[in-house]
Amino acid sequence: GDSVTQMEGPVTLSEEAFLTINCTYTATGYPSLFWYVQYPGEGLQLLLKATKADDKGSNKGFEATYRKETTSFHLEKGSVQVSDSAVYFCALSRYNQGGKLIFGQGTELSVKP
Amino acid sequence: SQTIHQWPATLVQPVGSPLSLECTVEGTSNPNLYWYRQAAGRGLQLLFYSVGIGQISSEVPQNLSASRPQDRQFILSSKKLLLSDSGFYLCAWSQQTSGTGELFFGEGSRLTVL
Repeated sequence: GDSVTQMEGPVTLSEEAFLTINCTYTATGYPSLFWYVQYPGEGLQLLLKATKADDKGSNKGFEATYRKETTSFHLEKGSVQVSDSAVYFCALSRYNQGGKLIFGQGTELSVKP
Repeated sequence: SQTIHQWPATLVQPVGSPLSLECTVEGTSNPNLYWYRQAAGRGLQLLFYSVGIGQISSEVPQNLSASRPQDRQFILSSKKLLLSDSGFYLCAWSQQTSGTGELFFGEGSRLTVL
């Protein structure tokens, strides 16, 4: 079945460091791919998305490119801030699945000043 | 604009007691509705989803049930809670006609079963 695998956390970085959180997926066909962010004690918010191969999603300085050849959707940011500390979830969705999302296990990011 | 609310935000219940978590969506009609659970230190598990009033699909066998009495209302229930029911419960909605499947989440309800 479909699945999403993220790199293990927690990830600890200093402010202004470069961030990469790896995400790979297993799915037949052409799923849509998402990154969601969860700040402490809150629900999930959509960070960015890509709906077809080679699409690049971007928001708030974060980027991720839909790579079908490597089945990956890695999240990157050039310079992280303390306010980026959160849990990041990679997810996929297939239209014929009624909009259900399959999530990775989440990666906790902690940014130190 | 669309909004989603769920309550209560925090709940502490003894083992064997009943549970009711409620979720409502405003500003849209005929949404798909979902209940997810996030156990401590783990990812999100889809529990139930609904494509219409009275239509509930269960993803995993468990101690919980869901109901959709109105188009924009989704309720998560249990008759007798177990310790393993503790977790962070998230309600979400999506547009039925959306091809991308984007979900919009509520603020979450933290349940502690003692």
